[in-house]
Amino acid sequence: AQSVTQLGSHVSVSEGALVLLRCNYSSSVPPYLFWYVQYPNQGLQLLLKYTSAATLVKGINGFEAEFKKSETSFHLTKPSAHMSDAAEYFCAVSEGAAGNKLTFGGGTRVLVKP
Amino acid sequence: DAGITQSPRHKVTETGTPVTLRCHQTENHRYMYWYRQDPGHGLRLIHYSYGVKDTDKGEVSDGYSVSRSKTEDFLLTLESATSSQTSVYFCAIRRASSGLNTGELFFGEGSRLTVL
Repeated sequence: AQSVTQLGSHVSVSEGALVLLRCNYSSSVPPYLFWYVQYPNQGLQLLLKYTSAATLVKGINGFEAEFKKSETSFHLTKPSAHMSDAAEYFCAVSEGAAGNKLTFGGGTRVLVKP
Repeated sequence: DAGITQSPRHKVTETGTPVTLRCHQTENHRYMYWYRQDPGHGLRLIHYSYGVKDTDKGEVSDGYSVSRSKTEDFLLTLESATSSQTSVYFCAIRRASSGLNTGELFFGEGSRLTVL
């Protein structure tokens, strides 16, 4: 069975500050990992994904995440927050290439202060 | 745009009434999914389908049924709606990249259901 834990349901950052969203996963097989973003009243949009290639993954809008097997983590970062980054972010895991389901974390809502 | 359309987008109904949500895709993908989104729980899988008439349960399937009589449509039915089923429901499709399963899902815009 696979599971995802996102630490912090709400994060507040100042514009221009580092954004760090934490994600830890559990999987019985080498996982594929994802970060999605959801803007108000919209569906989910893929930010980036890890599928067993490079452990540092770059995504859209300046976000990146690093897969650390020893820590079972896949934390999302952005060096400098913009007001437009205010949204909810979801980490998700699937069981590698054989997986046919995504399991999501509880989500982290990001507030960006001017 | 993954070519996913959900209908209705908003619905208010009363406890005990049946409700059907429709997900329509235009790209002929094999895998389709229904998730519900609730604060603090993220998205939880209700049911998914891996082909016409082939479906399986997710982690929160109680009170829900699904049907897939053709590739493009995946229906989610609440036989007798309850207030605990008030939620936002998302349909998703799995799209392979260069023939490989990357596990990535593409989501519709969601259907907001309120059960009074």
